[in-house]
Amino acid sequence: DVKVTQSSRYLVKRTGEKVFLECVQDMDHENMFWYRQDPGLGLRLIYFSYDVKMKEKGDIPEGYSVSREKKERFSLILESASTNQTSMYLCASGYTFGSGTRLTVV
Amino acid sequence: AQSVTQPDIHITVSEGASLELRCNYSYGATPYLFWYVQSPGQGLQLLLKYFSGDTLVQGIKGFEAEFKRSQSSFNLRKPSVHWSDAAEYFCAVGALGFQKLVFGTGTRLLVSP
Repeated sequence: DVKVTQSSRYLVKRTGEKVFLECVQDMDHENMFWYRQDPGLGLRLIYFSYDVKMKEKGDIPEGYSVSREKKERFSLILESASTNQTSMYLCASGYTFGSGTRLTVV
Repeated sequence: AQSVTQPDIHITVSEGASLELRCNYSYGATPYLFWYVQSPGQGLQLLLKYFSGDTLVQGIKGFEAEFKRSQSSFNLRKPSVHWSDAAEYFCAVGALGFQKLVFGTGTRLLVSP
């Protein structure tokens, strides 16, 4: 089975900080995804990548960027964190999800 | 555009009773359909998926789902619920050749003694 590892379970950051959320998968998958989960809204796609150095915007890309320098690693970047980015962030490789990172921006 | 509707925000079921969670989708072509479960503070675990073939799909933990094209539905069922099934359940739809998913807003299952 694919294992998807998100480096942090909980993060607290200050408004205006640059934030990196890391995701690593161990099965050589080409497709990786970042979703955001908020109560009552389900999961919404932020960005995805079908190959190294390739990225595509999802439904809610504003305020985010991504990086995929190696096939196994897909990073989500909050260029300048804001309080409305407080949320649960879930990385997926194919149809397998990581455990999530709960980010609080204060 | 694809969309998924889970009409029930919360459902309470007695332990040992049967369960059915509803999911309706909107998609112009043949959909790929999924059910995931999420325990509090955890990521999503795939329960089952439908790509093609037999419309009754068996999954893990005793769950099954039935694809009904005429009703655009993919309801999740379990004959006898256990207290450990209390969690949030998400239905999702995807497209052939891609793996990005569109999710419903989820149904929270509560299990009463």
